[in-house]
Amino acid sequence: GQQVMQIPQYQHVQEGEDFTTYCNSSTTLSNIQWYKQRPGGHPVFLIQLVKSGEVKKQKRLTFQFGEAKKNSSLHITATQTTDVGTYFCADPNFGNEKLTFGTGTRLTIIP
Amino acid sequence: EAGVAQSPRYKIIEKRQSVAFWCNPISGHATLYWYQQILGQGPKLLIQFQNNGVVDDSQLPKDRFSAERLKGVDSTLKIQPAKLEDSAVYLCASKSGPEQYFGPGTRLTVT
Repeated sequence: GQQVMQIPQYQHVQEGEDFTTYCNSSTTLSNIQWYKQRPGGHPVFLIQLVKSGEVKKQKRLTFQFGEAKKNSSLHITATQTTDVGTYFCADPNFGNEKLTFGTGTRLTIIP
Repeated sequence: EAGVAQSPRYKIIEKRQSVAFWCNPISGHATLYWYQQILGQGPKLLIQFQNNGVVDDSQLPKDRFSAERLKGVDSTLKIQPAKLEDSAVYLCASKSGPEQYFGPGTRLTVT
């Protein structure tokens, strides 16, 4: 079946350092969504990427969709303690509207 | 606007007992989802409703899990009988546009 893998599984960074998580699919994606889940919290939608090669920015966050639409990345510049959490990519399954979540990358910040 | 409401927030039961979770989606959201999130993993879709109809329940263990959304608004998810491996957070989400809005979840512990 369709799989969405993320690397790394865990990332510990000093506050102020950059962070990147990578999402890879075994099949071509229609779109890709990104969610953030704070410790003890619920997933919160960050963004959806639709076009091949698309790059979107939200303040210190940069999201990229691969040219072949099989991978995506999230890069955070100059991490802050508020960035702590698990970041999930999710595949909306070609408009079926059911999400297949990636394995997630858990980010911890060392103050 | 009010978010997705879920209750209870926590539940502890013994194996072979039954349990029910309740979800009230954001007003006007026709699509409702139930997810199971095991510790350290991404959410896994159990069932998707469109109004009061089931769109996808292919990953719902139907021998023990059931869900309904009788009037197309609130939904309940039931487990009977529970097994140890059902210990997880059960998340309800509703959808508007591409974005899914998640409730706070119900943390179930089966002993």
